[in-house]
Amino acid sequence: EAGVTQSPTHLIKTRGQQATLRCSPISGHTSVYWYQQALGLGLQFLLWYDEGEERNRGNFPPRFSGRQFPNYSSELNVNALELEDSALYLCASTYSGSSYNEQFFGPGTRLTVL
Amino acid sequence: AQSVTQLGSHVSVSEGALVLLRCNYSSSVPPYLFWYVQYPNQGLQLLLKYTSAATLVKGINGFEAEFKKSETSFHLTKPSAHMSDAAEYFCAVSDLKAAGNKLTFGGGTRVLVKP
Repeated sequence: EAGVTQSPTHLIKTRGQQATLRCSPISGHTSVYWYQQALGLGLQFLLWYDEGEERNRGNFPPRFSGRQFPNYSSELNVNALELEDSALYLCASTYSGSSYNEQFFGPGTRLTVL
Repeated sequence: AQSVTQLGSHVSVSEGALVLLRCNYSSSVPPYLFWYVQYPNQGLQLLLKYTSAATLVKGINGFEAEFKKSETSFHLTKPSAHMSDAAEYFCAVSDLKAAGNKLTFGGGTRVLVKP
């Protein structure tokens, strides 16, 4: 069974640009989560999508946004990039009926903002 | 609000020695607890999870963790370290309803295994 996949693996942008990151969940999983892992800041929850709807977001500004498509894949958009947005962005998926919220993670997209 | 504290951002152990990684949590409801491992330049891999079925949980790669409600702890152990255990380990808590389904992570503990 294929795991969570993310693309691209690496992304280099300059300040002020926009970045788009993509995630495909495990087949059968309907929930997608996004986390940011920035140096020195640990793993921070960004967004949760379930059945095509945004269900919860972390303490991030509105320039972090995303969506979930009918096939449950997801896209994270970061507008007006700032240097501190440089981080590893991890996507995770789970089955929305899961009792334990066991999340399965992809390999991440490393975003570098110059 | 939930929180997770991992004592020690770095741990150094000799190959063959006991690995002990400490995790304490706070949660307003009985939690679900997880340990994840992250190898360099990779995502997170689930080691084990506590879901209230048993207080001693066995995971992959010889790791196990014990849930102690009285101590609000979920420490991770492995009897004998292997060089391949060098990685960063994260403890996480999930509260399905109150916290909007997110996982709250500890700061991580980086394990160095000495030959």
